[in-house]
Amino acid sequence: QVQLQESGPGLVKPSQTLSLTCTVSGGSISSSHYFWSWIRQPAGKGLEWIGRIYTSENTNYNPSLKSRVTISLDTSKNQFSLKLSSVTAADTAVYYCAREKTMTGTPYYFDYWGRGTLVTVSS
Amino acid sequence: DIVMTQSPDSLAVSLGERATISCKSSQSVLYSSNNKNYLAWYQQKLGQPPKLLIYWASTRESGVPDRFSGSGSGTDFTLTISSLQAEDVAVYYCQQYYGTPRTFGQGTKVEIK
Repeated sequence: QVQLQESGPGLVKPSQTLSLTCTVSGGSISSSHYFWSWIRQPAGKGLEWIGRIYTSENTNYNPSLKSRVTISLDTSKNQFSLKLSSVTAADTAVYYCAREKTMTGTPYYFDYWGRGTLVTVSS
Repeated sequence: DIVMTQSPDSLAVSLGERATISCKSSQSVLYSSNNKNYLAWYQQKLGQPPKLLIYWASTRESGVPDRFSGSGSGTDFTLTISSLQAEDVAVYYCQQYYGTPRTFGQGTKVEIK
């Protein structure tokens, strides 16, 4: 059974960089059948896709966040990470990592999600 | 971006009754080369991550009860819960995977009347 687990600081100061890691267990992050995404959800609001990684050289980001986002892969640890720079209070949210299934090299739906981690941006 | 709009925002249904949620996309999510609709539905219970219910607009994920069904094509989709159970209280989201960025509907809250 695949499991994803987010980890990282729960409190980040404004203007600093938010850094989170997702550890994948029960399957290889190097599998060609999956992409790996970050999604966030402000309290009481909807879901916003942040971006994804497939290989270390293959990333896609939401244009609304692209200038501030970096997603990277560490296959030796079976982890992928999110960095979001210059954060403000608007970046306060529950951050989820998720697996995106693919069969043809095109990412499809999110079939597994982590439990999420709350990140609060505040001084 | 493809905008996903759900209706209603919330609904209250009696136990055992039918619940119907609509999802409309701002452009077609039907891929003509394979005739598949790139549309998924998720269920999110309070304090939990979203759970995949339906993909390809109408294919139930393994383990999802058959009272959940999805239908529709192009820009108009429906999630139906045929006989609402207490454990179905949740917020339901549609999501398109036709274009990037991936986008979700605003969510529909389902409660017991």
